[in-house]
Amino acid sequence: DTGVSQDPRHKITKRGQNVTFRCDPISEHNRLYWYRQTLGQGPEFLTYFQNEAQLEKSRLLSDRFSAERPKGSFSTLEIQRTEQGDSAMYLCASSSQGYYNSPLHFGNGTRLTVT
Amino acid sequence: KQEVTQIPAALSVPEGENLVLNCSFTDSAIYNLQWFRQDPGKGLTSLLLIQSSQREQTSGRLNASLDKSSGRSTLYIAASQPGDSATYLCAVSFRGGGGADGLTFGKGTHLIIQP
Repeated sequence: DTGVSQDPRHKITKRGQNVTFRCDPISEHNRLYWYRQTLGQGPEFLTYFQNEAQLEKSRLLSDRFSAERPKGSFSTLEIQRTEQGDSAMYLCASSSQGYYNSPLHFGNGTRLTVT
Repeated sequence: KQEVTQIPAALSVPEGENLVLNCSFTDSAIYNLQWFRQDPGKGLTSLLLIQSSQREQTSGRLNASLDKSSGRSTLYIAASQPGDSATYLCAVSFRGGGGADGLTFGKGTHLIIQP
């Protein structure tokens, strides 16, 4: 068990640029979640996948955001036309089955700064 | 609206003391409650998960309790150590909450243990 891995750790981009983050979950976990955390706040749910299917998206996930998990393994989160308000820590988590049965395991996150 | 509140927002105690962190939530219809630890600039580490049918969970010096009827949970840390310094986050999986299995987080309690 190597844990949840996220890449990159930090990303600085100019407003209007597109960025893509990657998450590699724990290998046997079939559920994958994306959260966003701003300074001084708890993480906020964005979306989650069961295998390759994206089952739910938060209203926080505007149409500039898209997430994929093409083969049910790693996932990518893309933000198009970034805005300064997108600056945050983007956290990925995975779990082995229905969440109510097992805890979420989080990665160390990708910190995005939009200038 | 389903919300999670943590009190206090910050706490500083001398090493060796026992302490209690509080979490309250607005809806008793939950799947489970989870306590996390977050170190600065890092992701979240799961500490304890309490299912809705359980009253408490213990791991080492940590004990978490759950009272669904009153919408409260406490995290008890015994014999605190400087290494316990971190932000502690409470998260609830609400039945029918946004994101199906998504967690709703509190803002956390920033804990400092003075050597």
